[in-house]
Amino acid sequence: QVQLVESGGGVVQPGRSLRLSCAASGFTFSSYGMHWVRQAPGKGLEWVAVIWYDGSNKYYADSVKGRFTISRDNSKNTLYLQMNSLRAEDTAVYYCARDHYGGFVAPDYYFDYWGQGTLVTVSS
Amino acid sequence: EIVLTQSPATLSLSPGERATLSCRASQSVSSYLAWYQQKPGQAPRLLIYDASNRATGIPARFSGSGSGTDFTLTISSLEPEDFAVYYCQQRSFFGPGTKVDIK
Repeated sequence: QVQLVESGGGVVQPGRSLRLSCAASGFTFSSYGMHWVRQAPGKGLEWVAVIWYDGSNKYYADSVKGRFTISRDNSKNTLYLQMNSLRAEDTAVYYCARDHYGGFVAPDYYFDYWGQGTLVTVSS
Repeated sequence: EIVLTQSPATLSLSPGERATLSCRASQSVSSYLAWYQQKPGQAPRLLIYDASNRATGIPARFSGSGSGTDFTLTISSLEPEDFAVYYCQQRSFFGPGTKVDIK
C-alpha cells in the first residue's frame, strides 16, 4: 500500500534552516510528481511546492520562493524540502503528497495520497 | 491568481440529511477542481477530482458537479464519519473550507 512518512520537523529559531524528508513506499516513486502542502495551526491548506517525477521542473508558492527548495532522490524513494531563512509565519504542519497522475508526465495537481505530516515551529 | 470562495463556512446538519457545499472560482477553471475531506488531526483525503470523478475508494454518497466558476460537492445522506472540514482546490490554490458539523 502507498505510504508517505515525513520527518525532520521541530522547533527552530527565526532565520535558521531545516530540512524535511518524506520517505515513500508502495508505489513507483520515480514516476510520480510530488508536492509539499502545509497547514498553519487552526488554518486552511496552503500548497508549497511541486517537483516533476524526474526532478526536471520545480515550482513554488510565492510565499516561499527563494527560501525553500524541493528536491528528490529517486534511488532512495525520498522527497525533501530544504527550508532556509525561516519565519514565524512558516509555522505549520508540512505534508508531502503524491500527485494523482503518475506515468512520467507533468503533475495534475491532485493529491491522492498524503503523509501524516510533520510539525515545524519557528520561534525564538 | 485564482481565488476560491466556499460557502457556507459552517453547515450544521443531522446524520441522514443531504449536504450541499459550494465552491466558486474567481475565474473559469474549466473542470479542473478537486474536493478534499479533513478530520481533526488527520491529513486531507481526496474525494473528487476533475469536478465530478470520485477518487479511489470514495463512497457513492459523495458526488461533485459544476464547471467554469461554480462547483458543488453533495453528500447524499450524511454518515457519522462525514462530519469534517471540506476544501475545494484548483492546482496551487485551496478554498478556505466548509465545516460540516452535527446539528
